Amino acid sequence: GAGVSQSPSNKVTEKGKDVELRCDPISGHTALYWYRQSLGQGLEFLIYFQGNSAPDKSGLPSDRFSAERTGGSVSTLTIQRTQQEDSAVYLCASTSVGGMMQGNETQYFGPGTRLLVL
Amino acid sequence: SQQGEEDPQALSIQEGENATMNCSYKTSINNLQWYRQNSGRGLVHLILIRSNEREKHSGRLRVTLDTSKKSSSLLITASRAADTASYFCATKAGGTSYGKLTFGQGTILTVHP
Repeated sequence: GAGVSQSPSNKVTEKGKDVELRCDPISGHTALYWYRQSLGQGLEFLIYFQGNSAPDKSGLPSDRFSAERTGGSVSTLTIQRTQQEDSAVYLCASTSVGGMMQGNETQYFGPGTRLLVL
Repeated sequence: SQQGEEDPQALSIQEGENATMNCSYKTSINNLQWYRQNSGRGLVHLILIRSNEREKHSGRLRVTLDTSKKSSSLLITASRAADTASYFCATKAGGTSYGKLTFGQGTILTVHP
């Protein structure tokens, strides 16, 4: 089946505007992650969804960032009142639950959304 | 500094040579994974090694893990120009019940034809 997809591929916005980034995980994957990658840097964990459990929001950098996952599938990451430092590539990954407890899971990444805040 | 730090930050070699990248981490882990990224886009999983494993092979890739030194290495043998990419190690902390990964800063590998 299809891999993880993200939209839009690129987003240019003006400082102060709100943006929404979308992630469609692999069908059947119940775990979904958002990461942020600033230029030339590694990935920074933002938020994690697992089934119907409360999400782990510990990585969200500020209250301007929020995310939701509807119906246990598609997820939307929203950044309100964007700032220039929000410019980065936002990556989504999904994985199946089955292997999670055995330490043999693989995260499947989408192509990312490149966000530029002017 | 971050869990999962790689060195070197950049590596430039000729096609056919071997490339070795190292990763160090600070806390106990459940597993360590290596990912590859082309052109700042999505990451592709290469190989996973569990904390009770010492070495693993996949094609031209060889990964070692030394939990006593909290370090891992990724060896790419007989490199090709197509191996040019950024390589990241990522650790899954021990004791966590889900797969949150902590990534290093990455090694930029350039293979010249």
